[in-house]
Amino acid sequence: GNSVTQMEGPVTLSEEAFLTINCTYTATGYPSLFWYVQYPGEGLQLLLKATKADDKGSNKGFEATYRKETTSFHLEKGSVQVSDSAVYFCALGDAGNNRKLIWGLGTSLAVNP
Amino acid sequence: DAGVIQSPRHEVTEMGQEVTLRCKPISGHDYLFWYRQTMMRGLELLIYFNNNVPIDDSGMPEDRFSAKMPNASFSTLKIQPSEPRDSAVYFCASSLRGRTDTQYFGPGTRLTVL
Repeated sequence: GNSVTQMEGPVTLSEEAFLTINCTYTATGYPSLFWYVQYPGEGLQLLLKATKADDKGSNKGFEATYRKETTSFHLEKGSVQVSDSAVYFCALGDAGNNRKLIWGLGTSLAVNP
Repeated sequence: DAGVIQSPRHEVTEMGQEVTLRCKPISGHDYLFWYRQTMMRGLELLIYFNNNVPIDDSGMPEDRFSAKMPNASFSTLKIQPSEPRDSAVYFCASSLRGRTDTQYFGPGTRLTVL
């Protein structure tokens, strides 16, 4: 079945640093890929998504590109802020069923002023 | 829209007691998901419904767990009897059918079983 591997955290950065959180996947077919973010004490919310190879999802300065050749969907941001401190989850649709998502374990990000 | 509503936000109970968690999905959404989040196991899908019908309950840990969706605007997750290892944050999420479904999460219920 489909699976996703996400880099372990925690990640600690200074404000305005460059962020990369790695996510790789194995999948049959062409599932959609997602990044969700969980701020302290809240539920998860969609950050960005991509539905096919070479698609780039972007939101709030974050970007991720659906790379079929490397089976990756790495999350990047050029300049992080303290308010970006959260846990980030990579997810992909299950085989033939984007309603059921396969989740990574999450990467905690702490941004210091 | 009010978003996904969950109640209670916090629940503390003793081992052996029955626990009922409640969820109101976003109006018009036809999929509803129950998740459990722990430090050890991360985010686990327990069960999901489509149009009030359970589609996949393969993630429900054991018979002590049950979920119902009597109508499009309400769902419950019940644990009877509860055990300390059930302590976790339980999330409800809903989505609208489509190829790139976005799931909208509630704020979660933090359950502590003593």
